Amino acid sequence: SQKIEQNSEALNIQEGKTATLTCNYTNYSPAYLQWYRQDPGRGPVFLLLIRENEKEKRKERLKVTFDTTLKQSLFHITASQPADSATYLCALPRSNDYKLSFGAGTTVTVRA
Amino acid sequence: DGGITQSPKYLFRKEGQNVTLSCEQNLNHDAMYWYRQDPGQGLRLIYYSQIVNDFQKGDIAEGYSVSREKKESFPLTVTSAQKNPTAFYLCASSIRPSGFWEQYFGPGTRLTVT
Repeated sequence: SQKIEQNSEALNIQEGKTATLTCNYTNYSPAYLQWYRQDPGRGPVFLLLIRENEKEKRKERLKVTFDTTLKQSLFHITASQPADSATYLCALPRSNDYKLSFGAGTTVTVRA
Repeated sequence: DGGITQSPKYLFRKEGQNVTLSCEQNLNHDAMYWYRQDPGQGLRLIYYSQIVNDFQKGDIAEGYSVSREKKESFPLTVTSAQKNPTAFYLCASSIRPSGFWEQYFGPGTRLTVT
C-alpha cells in the first residue's frame, strides 16, 4: 500500500540553526511533491512544489530536495526563527487518481 | 480578498444529529475538496468535486454527503451514520483537479459530537 512517513518526533531547535525535515514515501512514483505549513487550529498553506527533475528548489530561507531513487524529500529551514514554528506537511499525488495524499506532518519549534 | 471561508469555526452537536459544514470560495477554482484531520494523522480525503454538479467519494466517504450546485460552494453534511465524527474538517480548492496544482485551504471547522 502507499505510505508517506515524516519525522515522527517533533523537532526543537535553537534560533538561527537549520531545521531538516524528512518525507519518505513507499509505493508512489510521484512526478512532483508539495510542502505545506500548518499553524495550530488553521488550514495548511502551500509553500513549495518540486518536480522529479528538479533535484533542489529554494524559496527564501527554505530549501527542498527530491531524490526519487531514495524515495525521499528533505525540507530545510535555514537561519530559523521563532516565527517558523509550525507543522510542516509533505504531499504527493497518488498513482491512480492524482489526488494528493498528505503525510502526518512534523512539528517544528524554534527557541529564541 | 480572494480565499476560502468555512463556517462555523467551532460546532457542537449531539449524537444522532446531522450537521452541515459550509465551504465557500471566490477564487474561481474548478476543484474543491473536503478533508478530515485527526491528531497524529495526515489529512484524509472525504469527498472531492472536479466541476459543478459532479463529485466523487474519497477515502473515507461513509457517513458523509456533499453537494456542488454552485462553483463557489461545496457544503459537507456529517450524518448520524458517521461513527466517529469529532474531528477538524478542512475544505480546500485548486484551480484544476490534478494534484499538481496547489491547494488553498480554508480555516477549518472543529466539530465536536457528544
